Amino acid sequence: EVQLVESGGDLVQPGRSLRLSCAASGFTFDDYAMHWVRQAPGKGLEWVSGITWNRVPIGYADSVKGRFTISRDSARKSLYLQMNSLRAEDTALYFCARDMYAGTSSYDYWGQGTLVTVSS
Amino acid sequence: QSALTQPASVSGSPGQSITISCTGSSSDVGGYNFVSWYQQHPGKAPKLLIYDVSSRPSGVSNRFSGSKSGNTASLTISGLQAEDEADYYCSSYTSSSTHVFGTGTKVTVL
Repeated sequence: EVQLVESGGDLVQPGRSLRLSCAASGFTFDDYAMHWVRQAPGKGLEWVSGITWNRVPIGYADSVKGRFTISRDSARKSLYLQMNSLRAEDTALYFCARDMYAGTSSYDYWGQGTLVTVSS
Repeated sequence: QSALTQPASVSGSPGQSITISCTGSSSDVGGYNFVSWYQQHPGKAPKLLIYDVSSRPSGVSNRFSGSKSGNTASLTISGLQAEDEADYYCSSYTSSSTHVFGTGTKVTVL
């Protein structure tokens, strides 16, 4: 059974950093591109970033470019999102998602999300 | 990276068909056949309904169908059921190799 479990969400002050993790199981992690998608409270989905199977970042949303960094670790079967210079508008539930194939924005499995709250 | 445009809400009676539009540009929806649709119930993770404009993953009801014309993609739900009441989002690959979601549509079953 495919499982994606996010962790690392927390309440942090503006300007601080946070690292999110997503542990994958039930599939060959190295075969798939992976993504982070966020959802602010009561708002819609926003693609944040993605990374290819061979660890090449696909890109970043303009809203996080230069502040967030995506990475993955094959040995740990994990996806990461390093978030620096956090802002109030980064407050959201962060999902990790598996791309069905080739970075085409078809996410067939999702985690349940980890909540990031940026507030003083 | 502007969000794709969807109607805020669509409603229909049980058994009816409804269609949700998703309008982008030639740099995303119109330029690639990489449009997906997701269903999200409150408090739940999104679920993939349609990928590559009109393909359905295994296990998704054939009441859901997708299409595209120019810069606008569409999701049609036929035989509307109470359990279809949820939020729906489109997404697309873009010319920047990034992805973009639609603004979301709340479907109400009357």
